[in-house]
Amino acid sequence: SQQGEEDPQALSIQEGENATMNCSYKTSINNLQWYRQNSGRGLVHLILIRSNEREKHSGRLRVTLDTSKKSSSLLITASRAADTASYFCATAAPNRDDKIIFGKGTRLHILP
Amino acid sequence: SQTIHQWPATLVQPVGSPLSLECTVEGTSNPNLYWYRQAAGRGLQLLFYSVGIGQISSEVPQNLSASRPQDRQFILSSKKLLLSDSGFYLCAWSPDRGSQPQHFGDGTRLSIL
Repeated sequence: SQQGEEDPQALSIQEGENATMNCSYKTSINNLQWYRQNSGRGLVHLILIRSNEREKHSGRLRVTLDTSKKSSSLLITASRAADTASYFCATAAPNRDDKIIFGKGTRLHILP
Repeated sequence: SQTIHQWPATLVQPVGSPLSLECTVEGTSNPNLYWYRQAAGRGLQLLFYSVGIGQISSEVPQNLSASRPQDRQFILSSKKLLLSDSGFYLCAWSPDRGSQPQHFGDGTRLSIL
């Protein structure tokens, strides 16, 4: 069953603008992870945020986690053409061994 | 550093034919290994995962099977492919224990005719 649901499904912005993607989930989690997938390629891990963390940064990426609302957001600042990709959130839950469940993703398109 | 290799990159097979996709990991030992399938424009569906040699957990009943004959080798197989088996198959590994980030191969695009 799908645990994370990304919003929006697709997003087009101008190069240089910020892109925000959201993820909602249903059950308690150990951590939440964000991945990027370029067309026709495998997924690349971007950032992991633990359930006791509220915000995390990595370069131009900023991830927030609100466990009371069961939601997370991924912000990409100063977007570049190379950021065009699909972005997935994935959740790890206490009763799920080492498995993580992926959402359906947000397709991000950066316009030149 | 750790690397993951998955092949072939593209495969076209007739209905009813057998399948064997291979995935190997280098630079780590005792990894967790995963097979996913991704339908067009969709998220990833976990098919199988393994925490050790010969230990396979199946997530979805289907005509596919998986085997782990060596610590860093994971094989996805089928005796008779169905049209519905078409998709993008991804292999991934993570360090054992603890819901760690997963590292993916470049995938196999499987088309069934």
